[in-house]
Amino acid sequence: GESVGLHLPTLSVQEGDNSIINCAYSNSASDYFIWYKQESGKGPQFIIDIRSNMDKRQGQRVTVLLNKTVKHLSLQIAATQPGDSAVYFCAEKVNTGFQKLVFGTGTRLLVSP
Amino acid sequence: DADVTQTPRNRITKTGKRIMLECSQTKGHDRMYWYRQDPGLGLRLIYYSFDVKDINKGEISDGYSVSRQAQAKFSLSLESAIPNQTALYFCATSGRGNTGELFFGEGSRLTVL
Repeated sequence: GESVGLHLPTLSVQEGDNSIINCAYSNSASDYFIWYKQESGKGPQFIIDIRSNMDKRQGQRVTVLLNKTVKHLSLQIAATQPGDSAVYFCAEKVNTGFQKLVFGTGTRLLVSP
Repeated sequence: DADVTQTPRNRITKTGKRIMLECSQTKGHDRMYWYRQDPGLGLRLIYYSFDVKDINKGEISDGYSVSRQAQAKFSLSLESAIPNQTALYFCATSGRGNTGELFFGEGSRLTVL
C-alpha cells in the first residue's frame, strides 16, 4: 500500500547543531519526493525535492538523502536556527495517472537558543 | 499578498449547517486541490481539479463537494457539517509540470460544534 511515515514525531536540538529528520516510504514505484516545512499558523512550504534517479540533493543549509534500497528519505539541516522550528513533512509522488502526493504525518523540530 | 488565499481563516459553526470555504490564486496554475489536516495525521486529499471542467474525488470526499468557478477559484462546501469535520483545511495549486510541487494557502480552521 501507499504510506509515508516518520521515525521521530518530535526532534529537539540546540541552535547551531545539525538536524536530521527521517522518513520511510513504502511505495517502491514512487519517483519523486518532497520535503515541506509548516510553521505554526501557516500552510506547508516547499523546502527541497529529489527525484528517484538521485541519491542526494543539496540546497541552502538543507540536504535531502534518498536511499531507495531501504526506502528511506532524510532531511538534513545544517547549523539549525530558531527559525527552523516547525513541522516537517515528507511526501512521495505516487504514479496513479496524476501527481498524487502522499504525505507523512510530520516531525516537529524544536530549536532551542 | 499571498499567491493562494483562503477565506475564512477561522470558522466556528454548528452541526447541520452548510459551510463554504473559498480559495483563490494568482499563480496562474490550472490545478487546484483541497486537503484536510488533522492532528497526528498527514494531509489528506479531499478533491482536486485540473481545470475548470475537471473535478475529481480524492481520498476522503464523502461529506464534501467542490466548485471550480474559474481557473483562479476553487471552493469547498460542507453541505451539512458534522463534528468530525473539525479540522484545518488547505487549498493548494500546482502547475502542469512533471514535478509534484504544491503551493499551499494559509489554511482555514473549521470547528463544528
